[in-house]
Amino acid sequence: GIQVEQSPPDLILQEGANSTLRCNFSDSVNNLQWFHQNPWGQLINLFYIPSGTKQNGRLSATTVATERYSLLYISSSQTTDSGVYFCARDQAGTALIFGKGTTLSVSS
Amino acid sequence: DVKVTQSSRYLVKRTGEKVFLECVQDMDHENMFWYRQDPGLGLRLIYFSYDVKMKEKGDIPEGYSVSREKKERFSLILESASTNQTSMYLCASSLGTGWDEQYFGPGTRLTVT
Repeated sequence: GIQVEQSPPDLILQEGANSTLRCNFSDSVNNLQWFHQNPWGQLINLFYIPSGTKQNGRLSATTVATERYSLLYISSSQTTDSGVYFCARDQAGTALIFGKGTTLSVSS
Repeated sequence: DVKVTQSSRYLVKRTGEKVFLECVQDMDHENMFWYRQDPGLGLRLIYFSYDVKMKEKGDIPEGYSVSREKKERFSLILESASTNQTSMYLCASSLGTGWDEQYFGPGTRLTVT
């Protein structure tokens, strides 16, 4: 079946450091999204990026569909960046299948 | 801004009770989804709907049903709540023209005792 694998599972950073989160997926994608789950459980949309590169402030993302991976870059990390980051892609119909997530901890 | 709201942030119910979780979106989206999130298992799709009165089973529909009588509202029903349905429930919606971006509500933490 369709697979979504995220790495690393956990990441610990000092404030100000940069990081790269990776998402590998099987088969071609029609939809790929990155989310940040805040401490209250809400999934915040970061990027809708089935292909190409996008940037939003300190965050950017790149999806190389032909090689079946997507990367989320966080620059100059802040404590408020802490939380779980999910990658998700389309499965049957238009629903999403999620990776297990990367838990990011940023300390001051 | 897309807004997806859920009726409760926290809910405590007893085993055997009938439970209704409500989700409302205000962007005239065609598609709506219910997921549950559990530690170690991640997010899994329960049911989704492409249109009013239309529903499709997801990966884990057992023990659940859904209702979509109006376009903006999608309800998840636990006919007889059990302790293994204690979980975080997340509702989402998307426009419906294709593989559109999904937007999520704040979630409902349900505890069944």
